[in-house]
Amino acid sequence: QQQVKQSPQSLIVQKGGIPIINCAYENTAFDYFPWYQQFPGKGPALLIAIRPDVSEKKEGRFTISFNKSAKQFSLHIMDSQPGDSATYFCAASTFSGGSNYKLTFGKGTLLTVNP
Amino acid sequence: SQTIHQWPATLVQPVGSPLSLECTVEGTSNPNLYWYRQAAGRGLQLLFYSVGIGQISSEVPQNLSASRPQDRQFILSSKKLLLSDSGFYLCAWSLRREFSFGSGTQLSVL
Repeated sequence: QQQVKQSPQSLIVQKGGIPIINCAYENTAFDYFPWYQQFPGKGPALLIAIRPDVSEKKEGRFTISFNKSAKQFSLHIMDSQPGDSATYFCAASTFSGGSNYKLTFGKGTLLTVNP
Repeated sequence: SQTIHQWPATLVQPVGSPLSLECTVEGTSNPNLYWYRQAAGRGLQLLFYSVGIGQISSEVPQNLSASRPQDRQFILSSKKLLLSDSGFYLCAWSLRREFSFGSGTQLSVL
């Protein structure tokens, strides 16, 4: 059962383009939505995150748009650069009791930015 | 600042051999610790998590086990590896909702 659906699986853009990666979820208990960036052979690194009471969050060239009623959120990368080429994962977090939170990931999007 | 160490980076093991992957965290006490497995094109799957010494929760039935002998040490083990155990294994720790990942171990079972 995939709780967070991510699309597309892969994406190729030219330098300066604006890639958009989309995610959708069903579980309304999710209350924190991070995006992770992963380079080959490395662990994922937190890129940006949003809470559902906010419709948009921007950090540098990265923007999350969040639609609570549609249960969808997306990552936009402005002025994309070849160094942004990586796999991007959306995720959703729930509180699972005590001090523990669970993080559920989408399947990832392989982004290639051509020079 | 907190850092997470995971080793080895790469491991090639024959089918039926044992496994031990280790993860340690520095700069924090009583962290929540996690083991994830990443298969190509399938995202990250949570295998185990631990909220304290000796406390292990398993998310999926499998050939693997986990242990937490010390506050900042988390170990992933198997008595006999299967071909299907191949993958990229990631250790993570969390501070409330924010998760930080180690650099991963690429395990190939041949």
